[in-house]
Amino acid sequence: EVHLLESGGGLVQPGGSLRLSCAASGFTFSSYAMSWVRQAPGKGLEWVSGISGSGGSTYYADSVKGRFTISRDNPKNTVYLQMNSLRAEDTAVYYCAKGAGVVPVRDWVDPWGQGTLVSVSS
Amino acid sequence: DIVMTQTPLSLSVTPGQPASISCKSSQSLLHSDGKTYLYWYLQKPGQSPQLVIYEVSSRFSGVPDRFSGSGSETDFTLKVSRVEAEDVGVYYCMQGIHLPITFGQGTRLEIK
Repeated sequence: EVHLLESGGGLVQPGGSLRLSCAASGFTFSSYAMSWVRQAPGKGLEWVSGISGSGGSTYYADSVKGRFTISRDNPKNTVYLQMNSLRAEDTAVYYCAKGAGVVPVRDWVDPWGQGTLVSVSS
Repeated sequence: DIVMTQTPLSLSVTPGQPASISCKSSQSLLHSDGKTYLYWYLQKPGQSPQLVIYEVSSRFSGVPDRFSGSGSETDFTLKVSRVEAEDVGVYYCMQGIHLPITFGQGTRLEIK
């Protein structure tokens, strides 16, 4: 059974940094793309970033480009999201999700982890 | 970016009655490979989203056959033939043809 467990969320001041981790199990990790999707409190879903199975290709939403960096450690079955220059509007639950293919496009994302809450406030 | 527009934004349905949600995309989701990259997700209260329908009309593993999807190019519909209590939550359509992946605003389904 596929299992995804996010960690690393918390309260951070505007301008600060945070690194999220997502530990995966139950599948051949390096064979699948991974994505991060966030949900602001009481709001809808926003795709944030994706990474190919090999880690060689990364993709970002314009809202986070230049501030967030996605990476993966395939031997450790873990995907990361380094978030810098955080803003109040980055406050959200961040989900990691498994792609159905090697690249995070033209395929679904499922399952999703339980999410980790990031709060950006002074 | 492709804009996904869902209607209605909320729906109240009597158990056993049907429900229908519309999703329109600002660009065609039909790829040159012949597939249409439109997906439906359900986020049950307090849970993470879960895939319901992929590529317009294919039910994901374990999804009851009361769920069906239809549509083409830019206009899509999710139907629940007979709503049950476990179907409550927020339904999102998602396009996967181009990055960034984008979602509709969500449609909240509640039971009367």
